[in-house]
Amino acid sequence: DAKTTQPNSMESNEEEPVHLPCNHSTISGTDYIHWYRQLPSQGPEYVIHGLTSNVNNRMASLAIAEDRKSSTLILHRATLRDAAVYYCILHDNNNDMRFGAGTRLTVKP
Amino acid sequence: NAGVTQTPKFRVLKTGQSMTLLCAQDMNHEYMYWYRQDPGMGLRLIHYSVGEGTTAKGEVPDGYNVSRLKKQNFLLGLESAAPSQTSVYFCASSYMGSSSNQPQHFGDGTRLSIL
Repeated sequence: DAKTTQPNSMESNEEEPVHLPCNHSTISGTDYIHWYRQLPSQGPEYVIHGLTSNVNNRMASLAIAEDRKSSTLILHRATLRDAAVYYCILHDNNNDMRFGAGTRLTVKP
Repeated sequence: NAGVTQTPKFRVLKTGQSMTLLCAQDMNHEYMYWYRQDPGMGLRLIHYSVGEGTTAKGEVPDGYNVSRLKKQNFLLGLESAAPSQTSVYFCASSYMGSSSNQPQHFGDGTRLSIL
C-alpha cells in the first residue's frame, strides 16, 4: 500500500491560516487523497478528499501537486476547535484506509 | 440523524471473557468497518463489510469475528479476550460505489480494557 509522510506536529496562531503538508511519492493513479482529523476522545472526522484537482469545502481546501506526489491541507483561519490530529491517507479500492500517526496541530490563542 | 452509534462506550473485561461490540448506522450505508486504535497510533482496520451478509478481513483480523445480519448493524466479537486487545475500537460506514471516492463516517468509539 502507498504510504504518506506527515510532520509529527505543527503549531499555529488562532485566526491565521494553516498549511498541513503530506508527501505521498508512491501514489498510484487511482489513489484518492483523503484527510481526516481526530479531536481528543472522538472518532475521526472526514475533512476533504480529492484525486487530481484542488478541492474546496466549508471546512478546508486541498491543494494537490501537479505530479500528485504531495498535497497540502489548508485551514483558512484556524480556531481553537481545529486543534486535533490530522491524517493524510491514500485510499484505493481495496476498502482499506491505512492511517499513519498524523500531524498533531496545536492552535495558540 | 444519529449517524454511527457504538455500544457500549466503555467496558472492562477479564482475560478469557467474551463480548460483542455493536455498531449501528442510520444513513443506509452499504459499507461498514471496524478499526482499533492503540495509544499514539493511527487506526488499523480489523474487518469490514461491503453489504448485508458479507464480511472480509482487514489488516489485523486475528482474535476477532464479525457479523452483518442486518444492513444497519455491524457486530464485532471477541471470543476470548486477551490483554493485547486493550484498545479503542471505532466503527465507520460509507456509501456503496467506488469506496475510495467516498468518505467514511465514524462513531465515537468503544474504550475496551482487558485485565
